Amino acid sequence: RKEVEQDPGPFNVPEGATVAFNCTYSNSASQSFFWYRQDCRKEPKLLMSVYSSGNEDGRFTAQLNRASQYISLLIRDSKLSDSATYLCVVRATSGTYKYIFGTGTRLKVLA
Amino acid sequence: GAGVSQSPSNKVTEKGKDVELRCDPISGHTALYWYRQSLGQGLEFLIYFQGNSAPDKSGLPSDRFSAERTGGSVSTLTIQRTQQEDSAVYLCASRNSGSYEQFFGPGTRLTVL
Repeated sequence: RKEVEQDPGPFNVPEGATVAFNCTYSNSASQSFFWYRQDCRKEPKLLMSVYSSGNEDGRFTAQLNRASQYISLLIRDSKLSDSATYLCVVRATSGTYKYIFGTGTRLKVLA
Repeated sequence: GAGVSQSPSNKVTEKGKDVELRCDPISGHTALYWYRQSLGQGLEFLIYFQGNSAPDKSGLPSDRFSAERTGGSVSTLTIQRTQQEDSAVYLCASRNSGSYEQFFGPGTRLTVL
């Protein structure tokens, strides 16, 4: 089993739709969680951190479920510019800043 | 300010040759990471440097791969006796101490013929 697993997609959604991605992680000792965005042939960039209580940044909401070991990303009112691959990232354990990346979920927002 | 830079941007080599990939992190960032990304795949962790501590080499796929970081700044990833399966984009990232955010360079696209 991979340490971090994501549905590769693609998720094809119309503009204005709400879409959600999940990511599961295998190590219950994992400390920190993030979503990165990667545009085609570009480098990944941090989208948002995921906090235990859940957090929101504009149209983006991230949630963490430690009991079930998954994190989620919800995008409301999808824009064409949201089309990208969304990478789930987990910091392995405390005492290290090693990060494990999922393979990514590809989103296509259609006009 | 200047971001993470990597060179070369593209490298084509023949099987069996050695290659060196360079990463210049953001000035002052104490942590430096190397990842590789194969077509349609996620980022595979290779190695991580943090200040003067011993690097975490747990992701290096074989002893053909090595990396060093001189003076706590520039890093070089060396692949000896390249194989076709080494073809990938090699990404470098740096992170400031006390922060969790990694800043990535544009990557080096390595093609082994």
